[in-house]
Amino acid sequence: GAGVSQSPSNKVTEKGKDVELRCDPISGHTALYWYRQRLGQGLEFLIYFQGNSAPDKSGLPSDRFSAERTGESVSTLTIQRTQQEDSAVYLCASSLEQGHEQFFGPGTRLTVL
Amino acid sequence: TQLLEQSPQFLSIQEGENLTVYCNSSSVFSSLQWYRQEPGEGPVLLVTVVTGGEVKKLKRLTFQFGDARKDSSLHITAAQPGDTGLYLCSAGRRALTFGSGTRLQVQP
Repeated sequence: GAGVSQSPSNKVTEKGKDVELRCDPISGHTALYWYRQRLGQGLEFLIYFQGNSAPDKSGLPSDRFSAERTGESVSTLTIQRTQQEDSAVYLCASSLEQGHEQFFGPGTRLTVL
Repeated sequence: TQLLEQSPQFLSIQEGENLTVYCNSSSVFSSLQWYRQEPGEGPVLLVTVVTGGEVKKLKRLTFQFGDARKDSSLHITAAQPGDTGLYLCSAGRRALTFGSGTRLQVQP
């Protein structure tokens, strides 16, 4: 079956522009997560969605970051007024339910010039 | 915030050698996961350990959870080029906390 997919795979943008990153989770997975991975680093949790519950936004680094999820399907992560320090790989994961194994997508590599 | 420290950061070895990488913390965890990540891909779960002192084997990979559930190790026997990648440990049930990883390169 299809795994988690993300688009675009690469995004180059200029400082100050807004970007939208998309995640398509595995069908039937109720939980969806966004992480950020800076070069040579581990993953940093950003935000978590579980069904229709309010998302856990505790990992978002600033109010320039936001995310939405439509029901139990697609999610978009939006970064407004991008800064160079936003350059990283943004990874999405989904799991059947909270606490179950997380399956990761290939990520979107964001480069802010 | 639970901090996970991994060592070594980098490891370059010859095919056939054995190696051990470590994941340490001052916090006690109910469970700990090990992932492998290859370039251009997301991490893939290798194993979850939940019981203090637990040992799990996955072919040539042996995972151990410390008795106090604060640390873990991954031992690879007779490493192969296909083992090359970034090995990450993580903890948590929802918002996973990750270590910074051990980047392993196995030379043929």
